[in-house]
Amino acid sequence: DAGITQSPRHKVTETGTPVTLRCHQTENHRYMYWYRQDPGHGLRLIHYSYGVKDTDKGEVSDGYSVSRSKTEDFLLTLESATSSQTSVYFCAIRGTGGNQPQHFGDGTRLSIL
Amino acid sequence: QKEVEQNSGPLSVPEGAIASLNCTYSDRVSQSFFWYRQYSGKSPELIMSIYSNGDKEDGRFTAQLNKASQYVSLLIRDSQPSDSATYLCAVNKNAGNMLTFGGGTRLMVKP
Repeated sequence: DAGITQSPRHKVTETGTPVTLRCHQTENHRYMYWYRQDPGHGLRLIHYSYGVKDTDKGEVSDGYSVSRSKTEDFLLTLESATSSQTSVYFCAIRGTGGNQPQHFGDGTRLSIL
Repeated sequence: QKEVEQNSGPLSVPEGAIASLNCTYSDRVSQSFFWYRQYSGKSPELIMSIYSNGDKEDGRFTAQLNKASQYVSLLIRDSQPSDSATYLCAVNKNAGNMLTFGGGTRLMVKP
């Protein structure tokens, strides 16, 4: 298994509160990604990182921010959570090289009441 | 038109049969193609990668790529109930850093 750990695995919180999800990797991979997965929408990219302090927006970045201060950690923050951000969040990593696949963490199930 | 399209299913096959899952993509410059399996409540797991036209076999799985027709397929031989899952097709354009995922096909293998 790829060395990816997501925390927390489950979280329930209230609308308007800040939430931070963590992705930790032990593979020393350059690329890290945050996705959300919802019924009827499949996997959608939120943000990704191509190196320490290098990040870019994905398809559904509104309401989310990210930070990567170390190679191994990629944080996803919901500054003020809304019910529409209830979802399952997956982190993925990818090695350098054009044809490398992404490997996924176990996911975080986030419920915002 | 979605960039990567899959029939959502469910595709139901009897145990021991061949399951055929299909995926079409819209961008001709796509170079890398991946199949992921996702069990209910779990994360996507890579099962096949294919980069060149033709067939690639790995155990009971065969990936087929036809760039001229812009489709990629996954065949599962001797299907088992444990193969029941959602299969996601993913496409990488231009050897870039992003994957585009299809919506997935749900496969049900009945004993």
